[in-house]
Amino acid sequence: SQTIHQWPATLVQPVGSPLSLECTVEGTSNPNLYWYRQAAGRGLQLLFYSVGIGQISSEVPQNLSASRPQDRQFILSSKKLLLSDSGFYLCAWGSGGAGGGNEQFFGPGTRLTVL
Amino acid sequence: RKEVEQDPGPFNVPEGATVAFNCTYSNSASQSFFWYRQDCRKEPKLLMSVYSSGNEDGRFTAQLNRASQYISLLIRDSKLSDSATYLCVVTPSGGYQKVTFGTGTKLQVIP
Repeated sequence: SQTIHQWPATLVQPVGSPLSLECTVEGTSNPNLYWYRQAAGRGLQLLFYSVGIGQISSEVPQNLSASRPQDRQFILSSKKLLLSDSGFYLCAWGSGGAGGGNEQFFGPGTRLTVL
Repeated sequence: RKEVEQDPGPFNVPEGATVAFNCTYSNSASQSFFWYRQDCRKEPKLLMSVYSSGNEDGRFTAQLNRASQYISLLIRDSKLSDSATYLCVVTPSGGYQKVTFGTGTKLQVIP
């Protein structure tokens, strides 16, 4: 069965510090991978998605970046965090495929607080 | 108009009640539809897919109305454990790698 891991679970960082969040998927190959952010009391905001190694699509211009160095590894980074970067960061995978059927499955998330 | 809209609630219902949520979408060419459940401070979890013919899973029934561009979720015999936020999800045509999440409807089942 497929599993998705994210770490760390909780993170408190000062403004201006760098960020690196990691997500790995097991039990599947060539998944579509996604990074979402959920601000307190808000909906899910798609940040990045990737359909393959080295292929990253950005949905929202901001001070975050993403990389996919391996098939089942997805990394979210920032060089300098802003207060507005606080939120619940969720990684998800999906099998994709034309014609729909694109269920996504989420990791446990990282709760980031920028002070 | 938002791509996907949901009544944020909260819906406060007694145990045993039947409750229904609707979710409207703006893109008439949307292809796939889902309901997710999100517990407080947890990740969303897939509850069920929504098929054109409607589908049922135990106490949960999902339906799609393409003509009016909405999907619905019906929960019968509500349990305390059903308390959560329910997110509807729509996959737009031409972008099958991406989905659009609604902001969710909060359900609180009261003893």
